[in-house]
Amino acid sequence: DSGVTQTPKHLITATGQRVTLRCSPRSGDLSVYWYQQSLDQGLQFLIQYYNGEERAKGNILERFSAQQFPDLHSELNLSSLELGDSALYFCASSVEGGQVETQYFGPGTRLLVL
Amino acid sequence: AQKITQTQPGMFVQEKEAVTLDCTYDTSDPSYGLFWYKQPSSGEMIFLIYQGSYDQQNATEGRYSLNFQKARKSANLVISASQLGDSAMYFCAMRFSNTGNQFYFGTGTSLTVIP
Repeated sequence: DSGVTQTPKHLITATGQRVTLRCSPRSGDLSVYWYQQSLDQGLQFLIQYYNGEERAKGNILERFSAQQFPDLHSELNLSSLELGDSALYFCASSVEGGQVETQYFGPGTRLLVL
Repeated sequence: AQKITQTQPGMFVQEKEAVTLDCTYDTSDPSYGLFWYKQPSSGEMIFLIYQGSYDQQNATEGRYSLNFQKARKSANLVISASQLGDSAMYFCAMRFSNTGNQFYFGTGTSLTVIP
């Protein structure tokens, strides 16, 4: 158990809908990262937050957005969902977000868009 | 551009034997971190081992060791005394000082341990 929690574990929804994925980092970690794992794209970095502020942006679509709240939990919002958004979405956390820090991953949310 | 390559889509190893999973990378950044993660069929990503680009010695964590050859830009994971529970996908990942803190992942190697 990495100490990072994600809810829900599974999510099934329809195209055009909007969903919210939630992540709680390990106790003491200030930085949260979101990744998408799909069969065709592999593991892709989406976005990073550090202590409530966006720090780095990767391959995140405009239909997706995220935020980190004062209690450091984070939410990833996915809207206007398409079939291709079906994937495993991971949240990871680290203490500060420095280059040598290990990121600890949550169990993931498996999203299926029908 | 940063690039990470795992050339072995699938590997088999006999239980109790050692196995090496390959990872090569391409970067001009002198400062970077190398990580290996294990992803069992249940889906979670489990951190295994870390190596910094300036570390003089190869990293070891229990049965895991990293064969780091900086000049060749390779960071192979060695698993000794393989166990059935080692059957999983293994991902090599890197962080670079000039591209923020995001991880770049290889495509992974599927390891199957045979009894």
